Amino acid sequence: VQLVESGGGLVQPGGSLRLSCAASGFTFSTYWMNWVRQAPGKGLEWVADMNQDGSEKYYVDSVKGRFTISRDNAKNSLYLQINSLRAEDTAVYYCASGSCSGGACSRAPTNWGQGTLVTVSS
Amino acid sequence: SYELTQPPSVSVSPGQTARITCSGDALPKKYAYWYQQKSGQAPMLVIYEDNKRPSGIPERFSGSSSGTMATLTISGAQVEDDADYYCYSADSSGDHRVFGGGTKLTVL
Repeated sequence: VQLVESGGGLVQPGGSLRLSCAASGFTFSTYWMNWVRQAPGKGLEWVADMNQDGSEKYYVDSVKGRFTISRDNAKNSLYLQINSLRAEDTAVYYCASGSCSGGACSRAPTNWGQGTLVTVSS
Repeated sequence: SYELTQPPSVSVSPGQTARITCSGDALPKKYAYWYQQKSGQAPMLVIYEDNKRPSGIPERFSGSSSGTMATLTISGAQVEDDADYYCYSADSSGDHRVFGGGTKLTVL
């Protein structure tokens, strides 16, 4: 299982970014996928997740209306569109897959990428 | 919004048992998961569904849950277990997920 995030960088307050996560080594289309972030020196914060076909999407309250999670199962890729960026959105953003066992699938982050850093500053 | 509460720090000597707790009102009905994060690394799942251990995780790691508290136990902690540990679970609706604030385990 490999998850590789990209798209992070330095952006001004109010700006936008699109994060990507390229998945390999597993059947991407059968797994829930997550975005989790970690501000510098702080703990983990669940940001959003979505189910296998994109019909269910959930967000932490602080990003609702500004962040959009999406996926392209044909490209084995997960995305996070982040708009109206604020200083408090500065963090490493991790992509993480759920898991499946015995026909049941779990949303909980199981396999993680190495993260991509988003810095919001003028 | 829903919260999971962990102690900020736990300290043990090598070979001792470390216990890290996680409290949350929905834990009687929702699974707890535990993650280990070493400095500069991505988190790693060490316990899922309260008490199951992923393949490759040493047997000294175990989990339990009773009422509103879940516990990660490291029996015979090793120096390499020195890390931050986070619990994760769902709120009562099941829609939203949350991590605890994290516990810094020092094995020294």
